[in-house]
Amino acid sequence: SSELTQPPSVSVSPGQTATIICSGDALPNQYGNWYQQKPGQAPVLVIYSDYERPSGIPERFSGSRSGTTATLTISGVQAEDEADYYCQSADSRGTYRVDFGGGTKLTVL
Amino acid sequence: QVHLQESGPRLVKPSETLSLTCTVSGYSITNGYYWAWIRQAPGEGLEWIGRIFHRGHTYYNPSLESRVSISVDTSKNQFSLRLNSVTAADTAFYYCAREVGSYYFEHWGQGTLVTVSS
Repeated sequence: SSELTQPPSVSVSPGQTATIICSGDALPNQYGNWYQQKPGQAPVLVIYSDYERPSGIPERFSGSRSGTTATLTISGVQAEDEADYYCQSADSRGTYRVDFGGGTKLTVL
Repeated sequence: QVHLQESGPRLVKPSETLSLTCTVSGYSITNGYYWAWIRQAPGEGLEWIGRIFHRGHTYYNPSLESRVSISVDTSKNQFSLRLNSVTAADTAFYYCAREVGSYYFEHWGQGTLVTVSS
């Protein structure tokens, strides 16, 4: 079972803000990373090290981490943002284990 | 531009060994980074399988550690996955990826569906 917990689904209207929360007891000591996956495609990194955005990812994607929670925020949601989103963390000091959240289906109404 | 491509048999019989290779282009594996395998059962979430450093150090998911092996062939700029004693539960899309500092996965292959069936 995943050590990271996400809501199964989130729905927003175009132009609104979508917030996806990831919870995990190890998050106070680990970075949070986020991936977007569209049907039939490989995941794409959209946020790393809590809030960093890879080249080519729109500014409307942002991230944060506080305590046992990591958060992905998509401001001004567009239809093309409809996808599954996965949080991920890694233990960098001990087991080096990687965990993924169960994924959240973002629906743009 | 870093590109990763998975290859290998798409159909494996139960109890046999699943073998996949990831060919990396646009970057030399010997220059660093970790190289990882991740899988996703159809309709399910992502599961990390393990990683290898170009010098051969490996780390595996504890839930798969007894059956998995990851190796690297720097002469071919490839790394490989072997998963023994497969069952239907190992049917999944298998992705290879470049992992940054054992933190996150910045480049992914397109993935390949491997089906375990007799």
